Amino acid sequence: NAGVTQTPKFQVLKTGQSMTLQCAQDMNHEYMSWYRQDPGMGLRLIHYSVGAGITDQGEVPNGYNVSRSTTEDFPLRLLSAAPSQTSVYFCASSQGPADTQYFGPGTRLTVL
Amino acid sequence: GEDVEQSLFLSVREGDSSVINCTYTDSSSTYLYWYKQEPGAGLQLLTYIFSNMDMKQDQRLTVLLNKKDKHLSLRIADTQTGDSAIYFCAEIYTGGFKTIFGAGTRLFVKA
Repeated sequence: NAGVTQTPKFQVLKTGQSMTLQCAQDMNHEYMSWYRQDPGMGLRLIHYSVGAGITDQGEVPNGYNVSRSTTEDFPLRLLSAAPSQTSVYFCASSQGPADTQYFGPGTRLTVL
Repeated sequence: GEDVEQSLFLSVREGDSSVINCTYTDSSSTYLYWYKQEPGAGLQLLTYIFSNMDMKQDQRLTVLLNKKDKHLSLRIADTQTGDSAIYFCAEIYTGGFKTIFGAGTRLFVKA
């Protein structure tokens, strides 16, 4: 049981490049979410999913896309990276909306 | 709107007690959480409390909830250098699927 896994751990992009951050969980959790963590601002919700095929926007969705084709995977796509997207990104999953969230180890993204 | 506030830094000596405070705004929150984040790692659930409880104790950890003042605290007894980390307070926002996190309190433990 690996829990929540994220790849890559580190990534450097140039402005305008695109990439996908991967997230997978093996706990059969319905709920998955993506957060970004910036100094002094805690965690802010980007997008979340309540089950396969269902996604919705969080607090800071602009510049990011998600999809949920399977229960296990919830990738986050940056279509045209901007320096403002330099951050640490965490994926989390939970059984239900009011249940404990389990976090992945994070992806540290730098956009030059 | 919903908001969770914490002080950003706390410094204690090894062996002393640490108290990390948090205030929240959603009075209908059902769960309140404390997460711990060690350097370079993700968040790990430390403990949680149901909104119908006033106190919860778990080994060296004591969580106190004052619903009237919407105040949550985490007390760590006999603080060790291994407790140095960022501690996040979080509430489940009952207005939707959303966990609201505070900005985190960085705990420094001096030997």
